[in-house]
Amino acid sequence: AQTVTQSQPEMSVQEAETVTLSCTYDTSESDYYLFWYKQPPSRQMILVIRQEAYKQQNATENRFSVNFQKAAKSFSLKISDSQLGDAAMYFCAYSRTQGGSEKLVFGKGTKLTVNP
Amino acid sequence: ETGVTQTPRHLVMGMTNKKSLKCEQHLGHNAMYWYKQSAKKPLELMFVYNFKEQTENNSVPSRFSPECPNSSHLFLHLHTLQPEDSALYLCASSPTASSLYEQYFGPGTRLTVT
Repeated sequence: AQTVTQSQPEMSVQEAETVTLSCTYDTSESDYYLFWYKQPPSRQMILVIRQEAYKQQNATENRFSVNFQKAAKSFSLKISDSQLGDAAMYFCAYSRTQGGSEKLVFGKGTKLTVNP
Repeated sequence: ETGVTQTPRHLVMGMTNKKSLKCEQHLGHNAMYWYKQSAKKPLELMFVYNFKEQTENNSVPSRFSPECPNSSHLFLHLHTLQPEDSALYLCASSPTASSLYEQYFGPGTRLTVT
């Protein structure tokens, strides 16, 4: 089965510190996208960062960066200089192709708490 | 308004009621999706529409009936639901069903079935 595993149901970090959220996935495809989505409490899910599997270079978006290890099927998210507004559920996902269309497969999420 | 909007934001319904969820996107996208989000479970894809045509029904029970009258609007008609259907229902859109590199989500409808 093609799955996404987020092994940390909850994480906490002190404001201004760095935290890393783990994600592993299982796919037989060679070309796919990987994503981290953020869902703040009672607010809509937004894309944080995405990575194209054929690119070796790790994606970065300001304070957010990923460590993509394709052979290990690992895709962790590092948040630097954590801010109170980073508190949210974080979902890892990858896109897979089925029947000519792409579908996102999500993990169960990691709840991040930022302590002042 | 911009982005993806959903109405209502909260809905409580009995098992014998009929109600509808509405989703509207203002992004000029051609693909729209319904997801179900339950606590401690991954998001479950329910339906996919691409250029108004349904391209995916992920084994969803017939008590959920989607409708996509045009590329900007998506409905989810609900009837004779069960308590286990209580969840957050998310709508999303993307340029096409083969361009998931950019999928936008709505705020969701929190559904409670009593």
